[in-house]
Amino acid sequence: AQTVTQSQPEMSVQEAETVTLSCTYDTSESDYYLFWYKQPPSRQMILVIRQEAYKQQNATENRFSVNFQKAAKSFSLKISDSQLGDAAMYFCAYDRRTGNQFYFGTGTSLTVIP
Amino acid sequence: NAGVTQTPKFRILKIGQSMTLQCAQDMNHNYMYWYRQDPGMGLKLIYYSVGAGITDKGEVPNGYNVSRSTTEDFPLRLELAAPSQTSVYFCASRMAYTGELFFGEGSRLTVL
Repeated sequence: AQTVTQSQPEMSVQEAETVTLSCTYDTSESDYYLFWYKQPPSRQMILVIRQEAYKQQNATENRFSVNFQKAAKSFSLKISDSQLGDAAMYFCAYDRRTGNQFYFGTGTSLTVIP
Repeated sequence: NAGVTQTPKFRILKIGQSMTLQCAQDMNHNYMYWYRQDPGMGLKLIYYSVGAGITDKGEVPNGYNVSRSTTEDFPLRLELAAPSQTSVYFCASRMAYTGELFFGEGSRLTVL
């Protein structure tokens, strides 16, 4: 079975600084999706960024970018110019692309210090 | 622009009671999922469905049942509620083209 591991239960960053959240996953598949979701205190799950495994180029969405290392099965999220609104729980997720199952990591709680 | 709608948002149950969490989506997605999220934890898959009439178990299906009679609706049934089922429940649907999950706002269930 596929597993997703987030080894940092908590992280903190100074406002305007950069922080990187780590994620590793285990799969025998070659084609899949990877995601980062954000869950603020409101509890709503919000998609931050998405990566397709067959694409070598790292995905970027404004201040959010990923470092996708397929051979190492690593998928880290970099948040640049951190803002107070970035404070949330961040979940890494894996989708086998066929959609049969969708796995989440245990999350990293990010605190942004003013 | 409703997306995924879950009801109720909050519910308190007594041990042994039963209830159904409702989930509806208006995006014509074939894939739908039920997750539970315990405090400070990630999301664990309870059941999923790949289309009307087709459902399958996820990681933690015990104590739950689902049905999928239409593309839009995917209710989750709790039979004989137990304190271990105290959690926040999320319903989601999947966009086939991108794999993105769209989530409901969650339902907080407490079993006393």
